[in-house]
Amino acid sequence: QVQLQESGPGLVRPSQTLSLSCTVSGGSISTGDYYWTWIRQRPGKGLEWIGNVRLDGGTSYSPSLNSRLLISIDASKSLFSLNLRSVTAADTAIYYCARMNTISSNWFDPWGPGALVSVSS
Amino acid sequence: QSMLTQPPSVSGAPGQRVTISCTGSSSNIGAGYDVHWYQRLPGAAPKLLIYLNNERPSGVPARFSGSKSGSSASLTITWLQAEDEADYFCQTYDRGLRGSWVFGGGTKLTVL
Repeated sequence: QVQLQESGPGLVRPSQTLSLSCTVSGGSISTGDYYWTWIRQRPGKGLEWIGNVRLDGGTSYSPSLNSRLLISIDASKSLFSLNLRSVTAADTAIYYCARMNTISSNWFDPWGPGALVSVSS
Repeated sequence: QSMLTQPPSVSGAPGQRVTISCTGSSSNIGAGYDVHWYQRLPGAAPKLLIYLNNERPSGVPARFSGSKSGSSASLTITWLQAEDEADYFCQTYDRGLRGSWVFGGGTKLTVL
């Protein structure tokens, strides 16, 4: 079955750009009616939807992160990526990638194991 | 602050039944959007537990059930087992602020 795996630096300096990739295996990123999604959990907080990307490159972003966010997809490499600019300590979180179903309703399945990213100097 | 409110923690003894609530508003659950639930075992990724309010994916035991009424939803676990100890999150869509997907703050279930 489809599996997702996040990858990227675990430490980012303040004001720099946080970059993560999510590799999709066990199935094609190009099949089905899915959006590819980033979700995070900051310390002591609940899960927070960051944004989605479609196969055609179309995106939806969280209003609170929209000005700093870029999510892209590379179907030839079976991966999608997150870039979050001008990070601060408040962006320290576990970042998850997930597949979002778009037929009838929207749920997330499966999820990657998560990548802990700390923002610190 | 999450747009969906869950109790921070619940507990129960093996064999008991527990219910986790998820309270939303007229812009999300109350607007008719479906609710989905996730289980995150210690050290693991979140896993889809209930979708479309009360449907179970293949492999999820029938001990887990969901319901929705008005602006709230709930997850019920019957015959509680030690391996059910985990974090549980509800999720839906919110039509405010140009629309976004929202989660509850999560509930830590402790099996006594």
